[in-house]
Amino acid sequence: QKEVEQNSGPLSVPEGAIASLNCTYSDRGSQSFFWYRQYSGKSPELIMFIYSNGDKEDGRFTAQLNKASQYVSLLIRDSQPSDSATYLCAVNRYPNNAGNMLTFGGGTRLMVKP
Amino acid sequence: SQTIHQWPATLVQPVGSPLSLECTVEGTSNPNLYWYRQAAGRGLQLLFYSVGIGQISSEVPQNLSASRPQDRQFILSSKKLLLSDSGFYLCAWDRSGTDTQYFGPGTRLTVL
Repeated sequence: QKEVEQNSGPLSVPEGAIASLNCTYSDRGSQSFFWYRQYSGKSPELIMFIYSNGDKEDGRFTAQLNKASQYVSLLIRDSQPSDSATYLCAVNRYPNNAGNMLTFGGGTRLMVKP
Repeated sequence: SQTIHQWPATLVQPVGSPLSLECTVEGTSNPNLYWYRQAAGRGLQLLFYSVGIGQISSEVPQNLSASRPQDRQFILSSKKLLLSDSGFYLCAWDRSGTDTQYFGPGTRLTVL
């Protein structure tokens, strides 16, 4: 079992729709959760992070965390063609001052069609 | 504000040649620094991390090495490249006491 799993996609949604991206993780003790967006040929860009159960909203993006079920999701409202990218989920199992070893999922490719 | 630089942006090297990739961070002091590799169509793999000058931790055994000669400089090296070393090399940083990592622009390495 992979430590952090994502459906590779592609996930195709029409412009203006809600895109829902999901991620599951295996280590129940994981503490911090991150979503990165990566355009083709570019480096990952941090979109959101979440530490506590529930929802966290930032503009069109909402991160949802359910530690009991070990999943984290990212909702993108009013999807735009510019949102087309690969979305990476990352988990930090042991946040501390001695370095943070994030474990990344393989990413979900999102395609927003005009 | 903080800025992270990587160079070169792209590199094509023959098998068996040496490698040196450089990463520098501006606008912060004593950052944690990380080297990741992203092979074609695959996820990010953590290679090395450093919490201070001269302090290097390796996550994956391989023919690569890392060094941190200055507070905000992180170098990835190899004495002899393999075909399997091809990939997108990403440097990242975070502030000590936090775990929000930010990536540099990356170096795309092709070993022929």
